[in-house]
Amino acid sequence: DTGVSQDPRHKITKRGQNVTFRCDPISEHNRLYWYRQTLGQGPEFLTYFQNEAQLEKSRLLSDRFSAERPKGSFSTLEIQRTEQGDSAMYLCASSLARIRSPLHFGNGTRLTVT
Amino acid sequence: SQQGEEDPQALSIQEGENATMNCSYKTSINNLQWYRQNSGRGLVHLILIRSNEREKHSGRLRVTLDTSKKSSSLLITASRAADTASYFCATDADTNAGKSTFGDGTTLTVKP
Repeated sequence: DTGVSQDPRHKITKRGQNVTFRCDPISEHNRLYWYRQTLGQGPEFLTYFQNEAQLEKSRLLSDRFSAERPKGSFSTLEIQRTEQGDSAMYLCASSLARIRSPLHFGNGTRLTVT
Repeated sequence: SQQGEEDPQALSIQEGENATMNCSYKTSINNLQWYRQNSGRGLVHLILIRSNEREKHSGRLRVTLDTSKKSSSLLITASRAADTASYFCATDADTNAGKSTFGDGTTLTVKP
């Protein structure tokens, strides 16, 4: 399977706990994106990397959120001190660094904060 | 807030009929894209139309773009039960087609 993979698929955590998600992009894609999607809404852009450099962060990404892509391959998204409002689907996508190169999405990690 | 708004929010049709979904947006764009999402899954890219294009086809899909009205439509012809999904438009302010602003989608149900 050469698509984008995300792990875990589901995560249930108690409020205040930290969680970390992992994304493995398509191997030849040097851009990697994180989006968040709540029920009935479209995805919202959080951040993106080109290789290991984090080039842009949305104002939605509070200081409790941190994303890394240390070797320019897989990425992790960590949420510290989770809140109930963090419950959502976290989607990772990758693309080539070419103009108009579309996104290839993974199947997401569904986070439930109780 | 989202840039794009899809209309209708939900659409139910019989297999074989055509489905039309509309998207309106607020600010100027470089590209507009349509994605599809099956329940509980990630999004799949369907088609990208540039701001200087008016119409584009891909198989049973036809997309139009009217930049003067800031609107786009997606037509799926001869629909199939397998087309049941949510459809999202996404606008790009620059040539990075990955940093997109998505609408809230149209949920399409195709009854066999």
